[in-house]
Amino acid sequence: ILNVEQSPQSLHVQEGDSTNFTCSFPSSNFYALHWYRWETAKSPEALFVMTLNGDEKKKGRISATLNTKEGYSYLYIKGSQPEDSATYLCAFRGGADGLTFGKGTHLIIQP
Amino acid sequence: EAQVTQNPRYLITVTGKKLTVTCSQNMNHEYMSWYRQDPGLGLRQIYYSMNVEVTDKGDVPEGYKVSRKEKRNFPLILESPSPNQTSLYFCASRMTGSPGELFFGEGSRLTVL
Repeated sequence: ILNVEQSPQSLHVQEGDSTNFTCSFPSSNFYALHWYRWETAKSPEALFVMTLNGDEKKKGRISATLNTKEGYSYLYIKGSQPEDSATYLCAFRGGADGLTFGKGTHLIIQP
Repeated sequence: EAQVTQNPRYLITVTGKKLTVTCSQNMNHEYMSWYRQDPGLGLRQIYYSMNVEVTDKGDVPEGYKVSRKEKRNFPLILESPSPNQTSLYFCASRMTGSPGELFFGEGSRLTVL
């Protein structure tokens, strides 16, 4: 079983502040790295799928970077809003077709 | 609307009583998968299917069966449920041959007494 680690496990951030969290994954046999946002009582929804070392992707106030050589990805949220409160999951895809998920970072934005 | 539909969304059952959780997608995706989510653990893959009549075990397949007779459907079968199968289950699908995102169903919360 592959090791995909996310840190921190949970995070409280003041509204308006920016934040970031980390996903680390195996640096060998890399195919793709996914980020999902999972709101309570809903299903996970894809934010980004990243495939190339050095990839940077952005969607509104959320962005992500990828370093496949050292095996990590960062997710950044700029100017946090209450609606950003969710669990953020990363998932590693190696040569096989399955995705291995991390345990997630639970983000709470405090007004 | 593109979607993955799971049923039932909530179920309480008793040990040993066979049950099936259905999953259907309308996006013509080849790949479908089942995950379970437990507190303190990430999403763990139970079974996946690359296409019709092709299924493979994921990381936690014990106690589960699946079938893929049609492209759109991928039911999860618990032949003899036990309390350790109490969990939140997600079905997901995507296109094969691409690094593409997974599309998740809304989840099925199962309690086995």
